[in-house]
Amino acid sequence: GAGVSQSPSNKVTEKGKDVELRCDPISGHTALYWYRQRLGQGLEFLIYFQGNSAPDKSGLPSDRFSAERTGESVSTLTIQRTQQEDSAVYLCASSLYVGQLTEAFFGQGTRLTVV
Amino acid sequence: KQEVTQIPAALSVPEGENLVLNCSFTDSAIYNLQWFRQDPGKGLTSLLLIQSSQREQTSGRLNASLDKSSGRSTLYIAASQPGDSATYLCAVEMYSGGGADGLTFGKGTHLIIQP
Repeated sequence: GAGVSQSPSNKVTEKGKDVELRCDPISGHTALYWYRQRLGQGLEFLIYFQGNSAPDKSGLPSDRFSAERTGESVSTLTIQRTQQEDSAVYLCASSLYVGQLTEAFFGQGTRLTVV
Repeated sequence: KQEVTQIPAALSVPEGENLVLNCSFTDSAIYNLQWFRQDPGKGLTSLLLIQSSQREQTSGRLNASLDKSSGRSTLYIAASQPGDSATYLCAVEMYSGGGADGLTFGKGTHLIIQP
């Protein structure tokens, strides 16, 4: 597609439920990143995928968070047993590859509210 | 751990003024630095990307400089317009041998241009 697409744009869920967030990167981009932005705070790196390499999960805040990516296409971020502290905007970005000369393109984000 | 700081946190100026946004980072071993703008309800838009070997980049009324050794970058906006009102984010990308750590973002400068 022309840009990074995320769905849903908004999600309200009850505490304890699982949620799945989807990201469609720009076609041909090998690197894909997930970030989280809590209200009033800066962007927080969660995880990135580079081609077929194992993802770098070092930024995931807890074992309730997991992410998958099939090849160089769609990625899903899953949050199990959601907590109110998980409420945030979750942003996905893709870039041609990881490293110099890359430019990251962001989706519009998914606003997650846990009630 | 890389930390990115942006000053000021908020800025309100009359239309037509030239202004400077500041960004500093603690670890100078960066791969590149990007400036983004974030509009309410939308994703991030990449404005300028500066490679670690470069000193500045220009796009229209925007000019970004990078002094890697001192850990500083500035975004200069000339002849500001109301449409420039947004949150401006600075982000640095590190290279950790096995791959990038993702982008580390500052908390942003919330800019309001008064008509």
